[in-house]
Amino acid sequence: GQNIDQPTEMTATEGAIVQINCTYQTSGFNGLFWYQQHAGEAPTFLSYNVLDGLEEKGRFSSFLSRSKGYSYLLLKELQMKDSASYLCAASDSNYQLIWGAGTKLIIKP
Amino acid sequence: DTAVSQTPKYLVTQMGNDKSIKCEQNLGHDTMYWYKQDSKKFLKIMFSYNNKELIINETVPNRFSPKSPDKAHLNLHINSLELGDSAVYFCASSQVGLETYNEQFFGPGTRLTVL
Repeated sequence: GQNIDQPTEMTATEGAIVQINCTYQTSGFNGLFWYQQHAGEAPTFLSYNVLDGLEEKGRFSSFLSRSKGYSYLLLKELQMKDSASYLCAASDSNYQLIWGAGTKLIIKP
Repeated sequence: DTAVSQTPKYLVTQMGNDKSIKCEQNLGHDTMYWYKQDSKKFLKIMFSYNNKELIINETVPNRFSPKSPDKAHLNLHINSLELGDSAVYFCASSQVGLETYNEQFFGPGTRLTVL
């Protein structure tokens, strides 16, 4: 079957670094997405990886290992506004997204 | 300009009623989706339409009926509403294919409360 696993909740301190892990199993693979969702709002796109390696975009980076079915989202210099849920989603052979349940990130001062 | 819009944003109704949620995208995408996000925050795909044709219909009760009059619109009609239908419903769109990310753009969501 198709499955995405990510931690339910994480806590970090303002100014610190946090890594949110995601493992996936899909029928075929056409890339791995990370989305951010603030409470009461819609998910918004953060990053996309289809090749192995690290993609850096400002304070956020995303890593992919296709052989291990593994990705992580790295958030640096955490700010209070980064408190949100982070959703991992893998694109299968039909380009349909298989979604994880999301990781709720709590930032403390 | 709003890329993906949904109406209404909030919908409060009684059990047994029939209601519709409308969705429009002005991105020129060929694929549109309906998702349900319940209180546990899990985002669950309900339907996917590509160029007005149904391509995904997950195990959703047949009380839910999507309608796509054209590829820019995907409406969701719900008959005989039940308490368990209370959730946030998100519409999304994407351009599926080899040349794109297939990134999905989401509407603002419709919070449905069934009393």
